[in-house]
Amino acid sequence: KNEVEQSPQNLTAQEGEFITINCSYSVGISALHWLQQHPGGGIVSLFMLSSGKKKHGRLIATINIQEKHSSLHITASHPRDSAVYICAVSPTETSGSRLTFGEGTQLTVNP
Amino acid sequence: NAGVTQTPKFRILKIGQSMTLQCAQDMNHNYMYWYRQDPGMGLKLIYYSVGAGITDKGEVPNGYNVSRSTTEDFPLRLELAAPSQTSVYFCASSPRTSGGWETQYFGPGTRLLVL
Repeated sequence: KNEVEQSPQNLTAQEGEFITINCSYSVGISALHWLQQHPGGGIVSLFMLSSGKKKHGRLIATINIQEKHSSLHITASHPRDSAVYICAVSPTETSGSRLTFGEGTQLTVNP
Repeated sequence: NAGVTQTPKFRILKIGQSMTLQCAQDMNHNYMYWYRQDPGMGLKLIYYSVGAGITDKGEVPNGYNVSRSTTEDFPLRLELAAPSQTSVYFCASSPRTSGGWETQYFGPGTRLLVL
C-alpha cells in the first residue's frame, strides 16, 4: 500500500462545477503539499500546509492531521484547470525536506 | 531568475550508453533532488543533496550517480543505460529552513528514451 493515496485517479467535470480531490496518507508528516502538473509536463507547487486551510484564488486546500487526510477544492472550474494534481507529504522521519508523492489525479474540465 | 533549468529536454540513448542530465538552479537553494516519473506512477526520488559535497540515495538509486560540487549544479549520471531507465526526469530544489521543510521548485523535465 502506498504511503500517499489519492482519489479519484481520473475526474471529468463540466466548466463551472465544484471539484474535490482527496489525499490520504499513512505516516506522520511535517507538511503536506499540493502540486499541479501541466499538460506540457511542468510541475508547480500550489500549497504547502501543516494544519487548517489555505486559499489561493479559486483553489482551497484543507488538512485534517488527526484523520491523516487532505482535500483540494477548485471552485468555478475552468478548462484551464485541466491538469494532473499531485499530493505529496514530508514524512517526519525523513531528512532533507524529502517528499513522498501520490500517483496524481488527472482532472479534465470540459467547456 | 531562471529558477531550475534542465538539459537536455529530450534524449534517445542506446542500451549500454552513458549520459549526464544537467540541472542548475540560481536561487541559492541548499537542497536539490532528482526524481523520475513513469507513466501512471508517482514521482520517485533517485538522489538528493542537502548542500555542496553532500549527497544521499533516495528510493530508486540503482543505475544512477550524482555529484554536487557547487550549490548551483546537481548533475545526474546514467551509466550503462537500460530500457527500464526510460522515464521523465525532474530536478527540483528547495531552500533550507528552520522548520525542515519547504516548497520545492521543479525544472521542466528531461524525457529519456532508452532503446
